[in-house]
Amino acid sequence: KAGVTQTPRYLIKTRGQQVTLSCSPISGHRSVSWYQQTPGQGLQFLFEYFSETQRNKGNFPGRFSGRQFSNSRSEMNVSTLELGDSALYLCASSLYGRTAGADTQYFGPGTRLTVL
Amino acid sequence: GENVEQHPSTLSVQEGDSAVIKCTYSDSASNYFPWYKQELGKGPQLIIDIRSNVGEKKDQRIAVTLNKTAKHFSLHITETQPEDSAVYFCAASKGGSGATTKLIFGTGTLLAVQP
Repeated sequence: KAGVTQTPRYLIKTRGQQVTLSCSPISGHRSVSWYQQTPGQGLQFLFEYFSETQRNKGNFPGRFSGRQFSNSRSEMNVSTLELGDSALYLCASSLYGRTAGADTQYFGPGTRLTVL
Repeated sequence: GENVEQHPSTLSVQEGDSAVIKCTYSDSASNYFPWYKQELGKGPQLIIDIRSNVGEKKDQRIAVTLNKTAKHFSLHITETQPEDSAVYFCAASKGGSGATTKLIFGTGTLLAVQP
C-alpha cells in the first residue's frame, strides 16, 4: 500500500506570494492533518480534516487555510507569505473511525517551503 | 495548556548500548502516546505507540513504558545500531475511536550511535 504523498517536495517563494501544498493520504484513510516543522518551534499542529470538514485547528493566523476533497486528498494554502513561514510542512493521514488504532497517524515526506 | 517535555535533547551512545528517552505530558486527558523517528530529509516514521490502558509495550529492540500517575512515558532502545541514529519525537493526544487525531509533540532527541 502506498504511503502518504506530498507535492511538491520543495518550493521557493518570495514574501507576499501565496502557496498551495497538496497531500494524498494512504488509500482508505479518511482523516488528514497538517503540521509545521521549524528548528525553533518544532512540530506544531496546523489543522485536521475529516469528511471535507475541518475538525480541529491549531494556533496559526488566518493566512493558513486548508481543505479536503471528497476523495480525502487535502490541500493547504498560505497567503501573503512571510519569512517566518519557511518550514517543512508535513501531512499525516489516519484511518479515523471507531476501530482500534484508527487514530494512528502516518506522515508523508513533507514539503520544504523557503520564503525569500 | 497542552505541553510535552522531552529529555535529553541529544544522546550519544556506543553501538550495542541502550538508549532511553523520557517525556512528560501535561494534559491528564491524553490517552495515546506515539513515538516517531525522523531521519534527515524524511518525514517522521511511527516506530511504536502505547495507549493509556497499557503500562508497557515491546517490539523487538524497542519498548515504551507509561506511568499515567506521574504523566511520564519513555522510549527504550536496546542493542543500539548505527542505523538507529536519528531524531526521535514523543507525542501525546486525546486519541481514540472517533476522537481528534491532533498530536502534541515533544522537542525531539538527537540520538547518535557511535560504531
